[in-house]
Amino acid sequence: ETGVTQTPRHLVMGMTNKKSLKCEQHLGHNAMYWYKQSAKKPLELMFVYNFKEQTENNSVPSRFSPECPNSSHLFLHLHTLQPEDSALYLCASSQDRGLQEQFFGPGTRLTVL
Amino acid sequence: GEDVEQSLFLSVREGDSSVINCTYTDSSSTYLYWYKQEPGAGLQLLTYIFSNMDMKQDQRLTVLLNKKDKHLSLRIADTQTGDSAIYFCAESKGSSASKIIFGSGTRLSIRP
Repeated sequence: ETGVTQTPRHLVMGMTNKKSLKCEQHLGHNAMYWYKQSAKKPLELMFVYNFKEQTENNSVPSRFSPECPNSSHLFLHLHTLQPEDSALYLCASSQDRGLQEQFFGPGTRLTVL
Repeated sequence: GEDVEQSLFLSVREGDSSVINCTYTDSSSTYLYWYKQEPGAGLQLLTYIFSNMDMKQDQRLTVLLNKKDKHLSLRIADTQTGDSAIYFCAESKGSSASKIIFGSGTRLSIRP
């Protein structure tokens, strides 16, 4: 257990659905991250939040919409996704943005039909 | 090319040493990392090295850094079945090293 939980662990959705991924960290960290992990590709940083403020958006399509209501929770709202968006979505947190170790959740395996 | 490159697969015999290699592009990277991902789990930090170091050893793990060639390696001595996982190399980027760039990961499999 890393102190970072993600729900759901698996999600199958159609291209017209709207769903949300949830991440929660119990570590008292101030920075949270969303990554996309696709097979045989580098782990892609999507969004960074520091003290609830978005500090990084790595050219992510608008069909992915993050929300950080407080330092412990991070959401990724999904709508009108494409099959190529199928991947493992990982959430991570660190004490602050920067060099500190990032603690990862187990990920949500998303399949878009 | 990619910022951080690794070979995708490595197979070693149980008890042998595993060497996982990585090349990176940003010569200003301050920190370089090795993360491990076991099946069904997120990534966990294994070790990291400052860019002004050549080597770091931690029990069965040895990290070697060749800054001139921008080459990083992770050696696992006496590889065990529990070492089966995907190993990610990563470098820090940005003025405050606020961004970590990961490679594609090397899947290590252990033969009996």
